[in-house]
Amino acid sequence: GQNIDQPTEMTATEGAIVQINCTYQTSGFNGLFWYQQHAGEAPTFLSYNVLDGLEEKGRFSSFLSRSKGYSYLLLKELQMKDSASYLCAVGSDMRFGAGTRLTVKP
Amino acid sequence: DAEITQSPRHKITETGRQVTLACHQTWNHNNMFWYRQDLGHGLRLIHYSYGVQDTNKGEVSDGYSVSRSNTEDLPLTLESAASSQTSVYFCASSAYLGGATDTQYFGPGTRLTVL
Repeated sequence: GQNIDQPTEMTATEGAIVQINCTYQTSGFNGLFWYQQHAGEAPTFLSYNVLDGLEEKGRFSSFLSRSKGYSYLLLKELQMKDSASYLCAVGSDMRFGAGTRLTVKP
Repeated sequence: DAEITQSPRHKITETGRQVTLACHQTWNHNNMFWYRQDLGHGLRLIHYSYGVQDTNKGEVSDGYSVSRSNTEDLPLTLESAASSQTSVYFCASSAYLGGATDTQYFGPGTRLTVL
């Protein structure tokens, strides 16, 4: 079976950097996805990793270590609009972690 | 522009009634998914389809059914609604050509309340 773990909540300050971790156990691996979900809205795609290492996309970066079953999402220069839930998903059948609710404070 | 839509956006029904939630996508994607989202559980997979006439059960499929008669639509039916099925339901689609094309595009969601 699959198990995907993320912290439930995080708080950070506007302009700061925050790292959201995701650990997983899976019988098959076809890449790891990060999604952003604002309250009351649908999830939207942020990033995809299939090889070990860091993928950078503007203020957002995502890291993967397949041997450790570990990923993180790094958000730089935090803005108020980054307050949202961040969902980690792995596997070809797209199972999701419970999500991390990030609150950005002034 | 391609999109994925769900209807209705809000639904209130009574225990024991049959309810069908619609999902329609114009991405021409092969894969379609249904999830429910509850506080503390994140997104949980109900059913999914990799193409016309293909359907598969997800981790929380009991009490739900789907059918795929064309590429664009994957309706979700609750055979006999129960209060435990009160939730927000999201439909999603993906191209599934492998790798990053597994990226899912989500509909706006349907909030279902079973009284």
